[in-house]
Amino acid sequence: AQTVTQSQPEMSVQEAETVTLSCTYDTSESDYYLFWYKQPPSRQMILVIRQEAYKQQNATENRFSVNFQKAAKSFSLKISDSQLGDAAMYFCAYRLGRGSTLGRLYFGRGTQLTVWP
Amino acid sequence: DTEVTQTPKHLVMGMTNKKSLKCEQHMGHRAMYWYKQKAKKPPELMFVYSYEKLSINESVPSRFSPECPNSSLLNLHLHALQPEDSALYLCASSQDIRGHTGELFFGEGSRLTVL
Repeated sequence: AQTVTQSQPEMSVQEAETVTLSCTYDTSESDYYLFWYKQPPSRQMILVIRQEAYKQQNATENRFSVNFQKAAKSFSLKISDSQLGDAAMYFCAYRLGRGSTLGRLYFGRGTQLTVWP
Repeated sequence: DTEVTQTPKHLVMGMTNKKSLKCEQHMGHRAMYWYKQKAKKPPELMFVYSYEKLSINESVPSRFSPECPNSSLLNLHLHALQPEDSALYLCASSQDIRGHTGELFFGEGSRLTVL
C-alpha cells in the first residue's frame, strides 16, 4: 500500500529565511510521481513542485526545491527566501506513474507553515 | 486556460434538500475527480471519472451521486445529507488517469454546510 508521511504538523519561519518540510513515503513501485501542493486559506490546492521518480536530478521551481532520496523514500521541500505569501498548509502527495491506470493521489496529513514578518 | 471552476463556492442545505455541485474545466483533460476535505485534514478521494466513465468509487454513500455529462463537466448530486457531510468539496482534473505529467489541477472548492 502507498502511504505518505509528513511528520511535522506545524512549522514556522522568519521572512527571508529558509525552511525545509519533510516527507517520507512507502511504495514498492519504481515508477511514480511525487508532488508538493500548497493550500492557502483561500483553499485552492496549488501545485508547488513535481518530481518524477525516474529522474535523479532534484526538481527546482524558483525559491522552491526538493531533496529527493529515492532509496530512502524521502522527498523534502526547501523554501528559500520565505515570503509572507508562502504561509499555507503544504501537502506532500504520491501518485503511481504513467503505466498505471489508477489516478489516485495519496496525500500526507499536511504541514501548516507560518511565516513571521 | 488552466482553471478548474467550481460552483457554488458556498452552499447551505438542510438534510432533506437536493442540491448539486458543479465543476468545469476546458483544458482537454479526460480524468476528473471529486475529493472531500475536512478542516486541517488532507483531501479524501471520493470518485474518479476517466473518459466520462466512473473509474473509481471509494465506497461513498449513495446520498452522493456523481455525474459526468461530458468531458468538461462534472457534477455531484447531493440528497439527504447528514451534518457530518459538511466539508469542502474539491474538484480536480488531469490529462488522463495514466497522467502524462501526473499533476492534478484543483478548483477552489465548494464549502458545504448541512444543517
